Amino acid sequence: RKEVEQDPGPFNVPEGATVAFNCTYSNSASQSFFWYRQDCRKEPKLLMSVYSSGNEDGRFTAQLNRASQYISLLIRDSKLSDSATYLCVVNKNNDMRFGAGTRLTVKP
Amino acid sequence: NAGVTQTPKFRVLKTGQSMTLLCAQDMNHEYMYWYRQDPGMGLRLIHYSVGEGTTAKGEVPDGYNVSRLKKQNFLLGLESAAPSQTSVYFCASSELGETQYFGPGTRLLVL
Repeated sequence: RKEVEQDPGPFNVPEGATVAFNCTYSNSASQSFFWYRQDCRKEPKLLMSVYSSGNEDGRFTAQLNRASQYISLLIRDSKLSDSATYLCVVNKNNDMRFGAGTRLTVKP
Repeated sequence: NAGVTQTPKFRVLKTGQSMTLLCAQDMNHEYMYWYRQDPGMGLRLIHYSVGEGTTAKGEVPDGYNVSRLKKQNFLLGLESAAPSQTSVYFCASSELGETQYFGPGTRLLVL
């Protein structure tokens, strides 16, 4: 079993839609959590950190459920520019584990 | 600031050849990392460093060596390249081991 698992998608949604991604992790001692975004043939870039209390950044909301060991990302009012692969990242003592990513395509 | 840069951008090797990938960062970050990314596998940590002169193994260290002689540079070496090492290699740096800033990647093909 992979340490960090994501639905690979693809998720194909129309502009303006709300879409949610989930990610599960197996190491209960994981310390910090992130969502990164990766465009095709580019490097990953931090989208947002994920906190236990949940956090929001504009149209993006991230949640962490330590008891069930999953994190989620909600994107509201999807834009064409949101099309990318979203990577879930889990950190324990600098050992960063990435999910394989969820591919999102937003269509006009 | 250039951020994180990687050299070379693309390389083709024959099985058994050696090479060194260079990562440089100008953000004065303590932590640096080397990852490989393969289709359907996500990024996997090869080695990392928490400061000048230190290195540690990640998830997939076999077949690779690293050195961090200067704070701003992190080198990844392949002593005897194998086709299984065909991949895209990303370097990253971070200030406190949290938010990582990635370089543009090196595409390596081993024939």
